[in-house]
Amino acid sequence: GAGVSQSPSNKVTEKGKDVELRCDPISGHTALYWYRQSLGQGLEFLIYFQGNSAPDKSGLPSDRFSAERTGGSVSTLTIQRTQQEDSAVYLCASSLVPLSNQPQHFGDGTRLSIL
Amino acid sequence: QKEVEQNSGPLSVPEGAIASLNCTYSDRGSQSFFWYRQYSGKSPELIMSIYSNGDKEDGRFTAQLNKASQYVSLLIRDSQPSDSATYLCAVTPLTNAGKSTFGDGTTLTVKP
Repeated sequence: GAGVSQSPSNKVTEKGKDVELRCDPISGHTALYWYRQSLGQGLEFLIYFQGNSAPDKSGLPSDRFSAERTGGSVSTLTIQRTQQEDSAVYLCASSLVPLSNQPQHFGDGTRLSIL
Repeated sequence: QKEVEQNSGPLSVPEGAIASLNCTYSDRGSQSFFWYRQYSGKSPELIMSIYSNGDKEDGRFTAQLNKASQYVSLLIRDSQPSDSATYLCAVTPLTNAGKSTFGDGTTLTVKP
């Protein structure tokens, strides 16, 4: 079946605007993860979902960041009042279940540029 | 100290040589260990997973885990130019299985 799908693939917006990033996980995967990757850096954990609930939101950088997941499927990551330091690639991944031995399957990411 | 540390490289090896990538982690409760390969501008893709001490081989790739030393490595035998990429080490705890921690990656260049 299809892999993890993210949209948009690229987003350029002005500082102060709100942006919404979308992730459609692999069908049947109950766990969904959001990461941020700045240029030349590793992956920074943001949040993960088990079904529609988010057991761990500790990685969200500030209260400008929020995420939700509905129907146990699609998730949206919203960044309000964007700042230049929010510029990064936002990666979504999913796994069958959030067990430690489950590998994560990544989407192609959304490249966010804040002007 | 970072939770997961990797040599940033770049690591350069000639074609056909063995490339050795290293990763150390700080959380002794870590349960599962993964190596992902990330080509420039692309998303990470899983290449190896290891859960118990010792070696695990898959084709040209061998993962090695030593929990006592909190160390995991990836060996790539007969390196090919197509192996040139950034390799990310990921560590997942048993108690918070949704929160994997990734290293910053090691960039490998295989020269023909």
